[in-house]
Order: sequence, then structure tokens, then C-alpha cells
Amino acid sequence: AQSVTQLGSHVSVSEGALVLLRCNYSSSVPPYLFWYVQYPNQGLQLLLKYTTGATLVKGINGFEAEFKKSETSFHLTKPSAHMSDAAEYFCAVTFYGNNRLAFGKGNQVVVIP
Amino acid sequence: NAGVTQTPKFRVLKTGQSMTLLCAQDMNHEYMYWYRQDPGMGLRLIHYSVGEGTTAKGEVPDGYNVSRLKKQNFLLGLESAAPSQTSVYFCASRGPYSNQPQHFGDGTRLSIL
Repeated sequence: AQSVTQLGSHVSVSEGALVLLRCNYSSSVPPYLFWYVQYPNQGLQLLLKYTTGATLVKGINGFEAEFKKSETSFHLTKPSAHMSDAAEYFCAVTFYGNNRLAFGKGNQVVVIP
Repeated sequence: NAGVTQTPKFRVLKTGQSMTLLCAQDMNHEYMYWYRQDPGMGLRLIHYSVGEGTTAKGEVPDGYNVSRLKKQNFLLGLESAAPSQTSVYFCASRGPYSNQPQHFGDGTRLSIL
């Protein structure tokens, strides 16, 4: 079975500072990894995904994530936070042939002016 | 592009009442999912479907039923609503491969009094 751990339910970051959201996964087989963003009163929107190939993945809105197999991690970063980045972020994992996604509990990001 | 459409967007029920939430997708996706989202709990899978006429239980199926009579529609029913079912419900759909992302609707906010 696969699972995802996201530490720190609430993350505060100053405008212009680095955004770093940590995601560690558990999977007995090579994983497919996703980051989603949820703005208030909206559904989840895909930020980026890793399936195979290049381990540094670039997504929308300036976000990127790096798959590190040895650390079982897929941390999300953005060099400079913008006020519009205030949202909830979810990491999710699945694997080949699986019908279901396992989600982390999410990080609520607050951007401080 | 409509994507995934959920109706209604808001609903208030009394304990013991029944209702059906409708999810419609226009992407010809085989896979469809129903989740509930509660504060601090992330997304939890209620039921899902791998194709027309099929349904399967997720991690929190009790108190809910589903039907997938048409490929584009996935219905979630509450036969006798309970206050514990107060939540935000999300529908999602996905293409045929597990490395493809799920596409989410904007949610239904349900309150049970």
C-alpha cells in the first residue's frame, strides 16, 4: 500500500521568500507522484507530476519538485512567494496499474506581505 | 471546456433526509471518483468506478451509495443523512492510465443539521 506524509499543516512564508513544502511517500514499487493546489472554494488543480524520466519536474506558476528515490521524497519549491500562492497544497502518490491516489493531509500556505 | 461538473454546489439537509449528488464529465474518462474533504483530514475516497456499470468501495464508503449508469455520470447518494456526513464532496475523473492526473470538480458543500 502507498501513503504520503506532509508535515506542518500550516506554513507561513513571507512574500518574496522561498516556498518549500515537504512530501515523503511510501511505496513498494516505483511511484507516480503529483502535487495539487486548491484555492478557496475550488477543486484541486494539478501543479505538476512525476512519472518517469527527469527527476526535476517543473509545473505551473513557477513551482517545481524533485523526485529523490533514495530519500523517498518529492518536495515542492518556488523561489519567490507571491500573494497569489496562498492556497492549500496536496501531495499524492500512486503506481503503475493502480486505480487509486493516496493523498497527504495537505499544507495550508499563508503568504505574509 | 466544462471538464468535471458537480451539482448542486451547496445543500443543507436535515438528519434522516436523502439526496443525490451528481457528477458529470465531458472528457470521456473511464475512471471516476468521489471524495470527501474535512479539515485536517485531507481527501478521503468514498467510492470509485473503473467504467460504466462498475463501482467499488474506497476507504470511507459507509452511509453512501453510488451508481454509474452512463459513462459520463457518477452519482453519489446519501440514503439517510447524518451530521457526520457534513463535508465538502469532490468528484474527479481520470483517463485510462495510472500515470495520468485526476481532474476535479469544484465541490459540493453539504451541511446536515
